[in-house]
Amino acid sequence: GEDVEQSLFLSVREGDSSVINCTYTDSSSTYLYWYKQEPGAGLQLLTYIFSNMDMKQDQRLTVLLNKKDKHLSLRIADTQTGDSAIYFCAESMGGYSTLTFGKGTMLLVSP
Amino acid sequence: GAVVSQHPSRVICKSGTSVKIECRSLDFQATTMFWYRQFPKQSLMLMATSNEGSKATYEQGVEKDKFLINHASLTLSTLTVTSAHPEDSSFYICSAPLFGGDNEQFFGPGTRLTVL
Repeated sequence: GEDVEQSLFLSVREGDSSVINCTYTDSSSTYLYWYKQEPGAGLQLLTYIFSNMDMKQDQRLTVLLNKKDKHLSLRIADTQTGDSAIYFCAESMGGYSTLTFGKGTMLLVSP
Repeated sequence: GAVVSQHPSRVICKSGTSVKIECRSLDFQATTMFWYRQFPKQSLMLMATSNEGSKATYEQGVEKDKFLINHASLTLSTLTVTSAHPEDSSFYICSAPLFGGDNEQFFGPGTRLTVL
């Protein structure tokens, strides 16, 4: 079955870059997403990438996709304390298909 | 962007009671909505797909008589947890895809259910 794996925890200092990694198993995944969840809140879509892309940059966020290795990463430049949250990687096949989520990576940013 | 709301945001109930959670798409029509469940420190797990005007499709292991889903209009889906028990305590999140978009799914803020 489909599986999405993430490391569970990452701690960085304010101003540093953060890199959150994700691997997935479903080679038919068409869309790969990064969501942010703050404590007690719902999910906020940060960015997504199509499977035919290698990289996507959006302000402080850079997504890298290695389709051969089924590896996705999210780099947050100049990480701020407000970036502290849980970050979920997710994949889907597109259309109205559901998303399969990883377990989330808790990012802790210290001053 | 499109907005999905959920109501209530938090609910505490006694064991054995039923709880209804509403999911609304505020500025777009959603023929399909998804219901997810999230346990503490765990990922979101899809419970069911709600289809306007037809029966919901439940994932394996999800009791359809326990989690009643009604998608009566193009902007509203409801999830009713019947005869709730403490093990049903969880964070319930709905989402709705935007037709014509890049498969972007808009998530509600979630409902925290605590069953005493």
